[in-house]
Amino acid sequence: DGGITQSPKYLFRKEGQNVTLSCEQNLNHDAMYWYRQDPGQGLRLIYYSQIVNDFQKGDIAEGYSVSREKKESFPLTVTSAQKNPTAFYLCASSDGRDKYNQPQHFGDGTRLSIL
Amino acid sequence: GNSVTQMEGPVTLSEEAFLTINCTYTATGYPSLFWYVQYPGEGLQLLLKATKADDKGSNKGFEATYRKETTSFHLEKGSVQVSDSAVYFCALRNNAGNMLTFGGGTRLMVKP
Repeated sequence: DGGITQSPKYLFRKEGQNVTLSCEQNLNHDAMYWYRQDPGQGLRLIYYSQIVNDFQKGDIAEGYSVSREKKESFPLTVTSAQKNPTAFYLCASSDGRDKYNQPQHFGDGTRLSIL
Repeated sequence: GNSVTQMEGPVTLSEEAFLTINCTYTATGYPSLFWYVQYPGEGLQLLLKATKADDKGSNKGFEATYRKETTSFHLEKGSVQVSDSAVYFCALRNNAGNMLTFGGGTRLMVKP
């Protein structure tokens, strides 16, 4: 089945440590996105990529980094510069710019906690 | 800019009650509108969508009609079940790009 796979489902980070969240899609979508969701809150956009080897900052990019070396993969690194990383992280993908009536498809999320 | 406003929750209903979750939007151009549902501990699932004025999206007993004159896309269901308990997000995507703008989410709790 086509879909988006996020791993791991749960992740723990020590102070001062970088961690990387995986996101893989087999939907052949051009665009991919990372969102952060805090308890009882909506979604905030961290980074997005509309095509391979290109990505843009979203609303809350500070303390995060991404890469887009392959169409199907869009890993997110939470760096030590992100002082409040505890949250639920959601990855999504969608068809390209000309298909604005198409929805984004979401993974099941990764819950990151600080030890 | 684009924005989506949803009614604040939680919305608490008894089983078989009628549900309305209000959603209004501000956007340039003619956006596509979506409702997503998030069950506890999971990602978002697309519930329904509408891509032009007066379109009605429907799925699993839920409906929403794209009302351009009132810039609204209210979610309705005639008879809710306990299994409908979740957080519901209204969102828009406009033809200036492929970004989604989300509302803040509305938690629905259905009691037996």
